[in-house]
Amino acid sequence: NAGVMQNPRHLVRRRGQEARLRCSPMKGHSHVYWYRQLPEEGLKFMVYLQKENIIDESGMPKERFSAEFPKEGPSILRIQQVVRGDSAAYFCASSPKGDEQFFGPGTRLTVL
Amino acid sequence: GESVGLHLPTLSVQEGDNSIINCAYSNSASDYFIWYKQESGKGPQFIIDIRSNMDKRQGQRVTVLLNKTVKHLSLQIAATQPGDSAVYFCAEKAGGYQKVTFGTGTKLQVIP
Repeated sequence: NAGVMQNPRHLVRRRGQEARLRCSPMKGHSHVYWYRQLPEEGLKFMVYLQKENIIDESGMPKERFSAEFPKEGPSILRIQQVVRGDSAAYFCASSPKGDEQFFGPGTRLTVL
Repeated sequence: GESVGLHLPTLSVQEGDNSIINCAYSNSASDYFIWYKQESGKGPQFIIDIRSNMDKRQGQRVTVLLNKTVKHLSLQIAATQPGDSAVYFCAEKAGGYQKVTFGTGTKLQVIP
């Protein structure tokens, strides 16, 4: 059973471009979470999704950020019109239904 | 609680010694706690968890202690090895709520 997969692992964007981060949960997991991590800091919750539904987006900025988890395919975290402050590591985690979350290797976004 | 933009506290231990990493959590309603290990460039890795109806839980070389009175959590690592060098995060969840709140993190450096 493959673990949580994220791609790309590294993404470089110029200010104003769009960033699309993908997360494929573990097989059988229908819960997906996105977190953001700045250097030397802990992970901060952004959004929690189940298939086709956003359950909790309280940690996600109201503008420029969106997330989806379609019936088929990976979960996508989309950042429009990126700014330098969006540079961070973005981690996805999946869970079968409850407490334990399994994390992916992360996508490191650099905004030039 | 939420982490802040400070340098991570560092714990340096000699190989073979025991390590104790401490964490203060913020939410009195939290009833599930997790310790994660994060190596450089990787996603967090589950180490051990504990529910609020317990005060101690042991795994392989690791023990988690929970003191709900003072909202304190600790991770003990026996016979610390170089491979234990990483950043360790405590995390908390409240009730059935899926959101995991991460602590600030502690960097463990093992001296060979």
